[in-house]
Amino acid sequence: DTGVSQNPRHKITKRGQNVTFRCDPISEHNRLYWYRQTLGQGPEFLTYFQNEAQLEKSRLLSDRFSAERPKGSFSTLEIQRTEQGDSAMYLCASSSPGRIFYEQYFGPGTRLTVT
Amino acid sequence: TQLLEQSPQFLSIQEGENLTVYCNSSSVFSSLQWYRQEPGEGPVLLVTVVTGGEVKKLKRLTFQFGDARKDSSLHITAAQPGDTGLYLCAGAPNSNYQLIWGAGTKLIIKP
Repeated sequence: DTGVSQNPRHKITKRGQNVTFRCDPISEHNRLYWYRQTLGQGPEFLTYFQNEAQLEKSRLLSDRFSAERPKGSFSTLEIQRTEQGDSAMYLCASSSPGRIFYEQYFGPGTRLTVT
Repeated sequence: TQLLEQSPQFLSIQEGENLTVYCNSSSVFSSLQWYRQEPGEGPVLLVTVVTGGEVKKLKRLTFQFGDARKDSSLHITAAQPGDTGLYLCAGAPNSNYQLIWGAGTKLIIKP
């Protein structure tokens, strides 16, 4: 099964440190999404790539957040100078063009805890 | 601002009972997806509905898309403990690729 994978699954960091998460999408999917999810809430959109191009970024996203997808395959999400409010589950999803254009397939997520 | 409202937010019922979860909006969607999420995991796609009035069945789960493509429902028959999870609906607007997400319905099925 070559679904979406995310690493690490869990990350505990101290406030002020930088963290980087990785997402490997389903190989034939050209679209990749990052979301943040807090307990009991739906996913909150962060950013979206089509191939290597970052096409959309949430206006709510702080400048401390940056994402890359350098070769149109895997993606990284970096959070600089982490704050306690950054504690959440970070989800990655991928999709491919097709008849049902918007179906997204999610990875297991990275749980971030900022102490 | 497009919103998807899910109700109820929380539901706890006994095994064997039936239930319905609702997803409502004032906006039209070109398609709507239902996902189930278990604690500590990512959401898993259950179904996509595309046509107004469409009904899809997945074993004991029945999904319906409203005639006007503004709302959807998920009905579970004879719920089982394995149905426990967070059920999320997500709608695709006509104009862009970003999904609009509901806040989810947390469902607990007690044995």
